[in-house]
Amino acid sequence: DAGVIQSPRHEVTEMGQEVTLRCKPISGHNSLFWYRQTMMRGLELLIYFNNNVPIDDSGMPEDRFSAKMPNASFSTLKIQPSEPRDSAVYFCASSFTVVEQFFGPGTRLTVL
Amino acid sequence: AQSVTQLGSHVSVSEGALVLLRCNYSSSVPPYLFWYVQYPNQGLQLLLKYTSAATLVKGINGFEAEFKKSETSFHLTKPSAHMSDAAEYFCAVEDNQGGKLIFGQGTELSVKP
Repeated sequence: DAGVIQSPRHEVTEMGQEVTLRCKPISGHNSLFWYRQTMMRGLELLIYFNNNVPIDDSGMPEDRFSAKMPNASFSTLKIQPSEPRDSAVYFCASSFTVVEQFFGPGTRLTVL
Repeated sequence: AQSVTQLGSHVSVSEGALVLLRCNYSSSVPPYLFWYVQYPNQGLQLLLKYTSAATLVKGINGFEAEFKKSETSFHLTKPSAHMSDAAEYFCAVEDNQGGKLIFGQGTELSVKP
């Protein structure tokens, strides 16, 4: 089992550019979560999907952030336009039930 | 809403000493509880979980945690710290509305030689 796959692992971009983060959950899992981790704010849940449907997006900071899950094996988190304060590590996690979430290695985003 | 409090953002112990990381939750109904570990530049990894079976839960790498309903606590312990235990540890509780986990702020564990 390859685990949760995230790409890219590192992303450096300039303010104003569009950023797309990608996630492939573990096969058979029906829930997918996007988190953001910073020193100041810790680990924050941005949005989660169940059976490809967004269930709770209350953590999405603002309209510049959007997430999609077009099928059970792929999800994207997009930031447009990006700002320096979006710099963080973004994690994707998946689960079959809420009992255990499996985390990907994360994408380290730096917005200059 | 559920909440999780981890007492102490930084804990330092000597190699071979007892590790005790504290976690308290707010819930009137015994929830599902978890401890995750995050090594530098990695994602979170499940250490152990409580799912209303035995109150003493054993996890990986010699860690264990005891669920105490009367104290609403789920503290993580390890009898003898190893240098490789240095990491950040997160306590989490299942949200009582279902579907997601509520994480604590994390405790960074340092192990001195």
